[in-house]
Amino acid sequence: GIQVEQSPPDLILQEGANSTLRCNFSDSVNNLQWFHQNPWGQLINLFYIPSGTKQNGRLSATTVATERYSLLYISSSQTTDSGVYFCAGNTGGFKTIFGAGTRLFVKA
Amino acid sequence: GAVVSQHPSWVICKSGTSVKIECRSLDFQATTMFWYRQFPKQSLMLMATSNEGSKATYEQGVEKDKFLINHASLTLSTLTVTSAHPEDSSFYICSARDTAGGPQQYFGPGTRLTVT
Repeated sequence: GIQVEQSPPDLILQEGANSTLRCNFSDSVNNLQWFHQNPWGQLINLFYIPSGTKQNGRLSATTVATERYSLLYISSSQTTDSGVYFCAGNTGGFKTIFGAGTRLFVKA
Repeated sequence: GAVVSQHPSWVICKSGTSVKIECRSLDFQATTMFWYRQFPKQSLMLMATSNEGSKATYEQGVEKDKFLINHASLTLSTLTVTSAHPEDSSFYICSARDTAGGPQQYFGPGTRLTVT
């Protein structure tokens, strides 16, 4: 099956800083999504981004499918951005594979 | 739109008893739902794929007789943990695909199970 690697595993930011999270796939993937898991465990859909670039407020994401990676950009980080960020995708079926996540802590 | 609910949000049960967790798609129909398990500070692990009106497909290593899944309608899937033991304590999360929409998955808020 596909392998999903996320980096960095942990990240500490000062409020207001920018950051880039990366997701690499071992094989071609479909239906790539980025999620934010808040401290209560709720997974929040951030982006459905099989290819190209999307932006939503302070967040944006870019997927380069041919090179098997995706990036999540967080600008002007806020304490409420803290949590775990997961990328996930599948190879055509419905079985979605998650990366190990990037644990982000934003300091006030 | 695309809201998924889970009930209960947390449950404590005694070893040997069974616990049922419900997953509902509130504003869309979901032919396919998924059940995940998450241990502290780890990623989500897919347990099984639930298909409306048919048997669930379990991932390798997941005991079918221990984790019973029923998907009786297009908006409801249930996971029953039978004869629970302390090692079954975990965070269980369901997700659903909108039958009429794209391939995105929408996740429920999760159920925290503690077996004493």
